[in-house]
Amino acid sequence: KQEVTQIPAALSVPEGENLVLNCSFTDSAIYNLQWFRQDPGKGLTSLLLIQSSQREQTSGRLNASLDKSSGRSTLYIAASQPGDSATYLCAVTGGGNKLTFGTGTQLKVEL
Amino acid sequence: DAGVTQSPTHLIKTRGQQVTLRCSPKSGHDTVSWYQQALGQGPQFIFQYYEEEERQRGNFPDRFSGHQFPNYSSELNVNALLLGDSALYLCASSLDRRTPSGANVLTFGAGSRLTVL
Repeated sequence: KQEVTQIPAALSVPEGENLVLNCSFTDSAIYNLQWFRQDPGKGLTSLLLIQSSQREQTSGRLNASLDKSSGRSTLYIAASQPGDSATYLCAVTGGGNKLTFGTGTQLKVEL
Repeated sequence: DAGVTQSPTHLIKTRGQQVTLRCSPKSGHDTVSWYQQALGQGPQFIFQYYEEEERQRGNFPDRFSGHQFPNYSSELNVNALLLGDSALYLCASSLDRRTPSGANVLTFGAGSRLTVL
C-alpha cells in the first residue's frame, strides 16, 4: 500500500526566505508526482507535475525535484511572499490513475 | 472553458440522513474521481467512474455510492450519515487517453463541504 509522508507538517518563515518542503513515498512504482496548493476551505490547485521519467520541473519561483528510486521529492520556493501562505500537498499517481496524497505542509509567510 | 463544477458548495445534514453531491467534469473529460478530505488531512480516494461504471474503489464502505451519467457528470451518494463523514468532498475529472506516461492529469473542483451534526 502506497504511503506518502510530508515534512514538516507546518512551517512559518519571514518574507523573502527560500524554503524547501519534503515529500516521501513508499512505493516507487509511480506514474507521476504532483504538488498542489490548497487555500483554507478551498479546492486544489495543481502547481507542478513531474513524470516518473523526469527529475525536476520549474514554474516561476517554484522548483520540484523527483528521485523515484529513493522515494523522495522536494518543492523549493524561492523568495517567499505572504501570498504563498497555504497548505501544500504532495500526491503520487499509481495504477488506475488514483492519487495518493500526503497530509500536507501548512506554510505561513510572515511580513 | 469551464473547469470542474461541484454542487452544492456547503451543506449541513444530521446523522442518519442521506446526501447527494454533484459534479460536472471539465469540458472534454470523460472520467470522474471522488475524494474525501477530512479536516487537517490529505484527500482520500473514494472511487472513479468511466463509461458510467465504477472502475476503481478505495477503502470506503458501501454507504458511499456513485453514478455517472451519459454526459459524463457524476453524483456521489452517502447513506446513513455518520459524524465522521463530515469533510470536504472533491471531484476530479480527466480524459481517459493512453498517454506515454500511462497516467492522465486530473483537474479538481472546489469541493462540497459537508457537515454532519
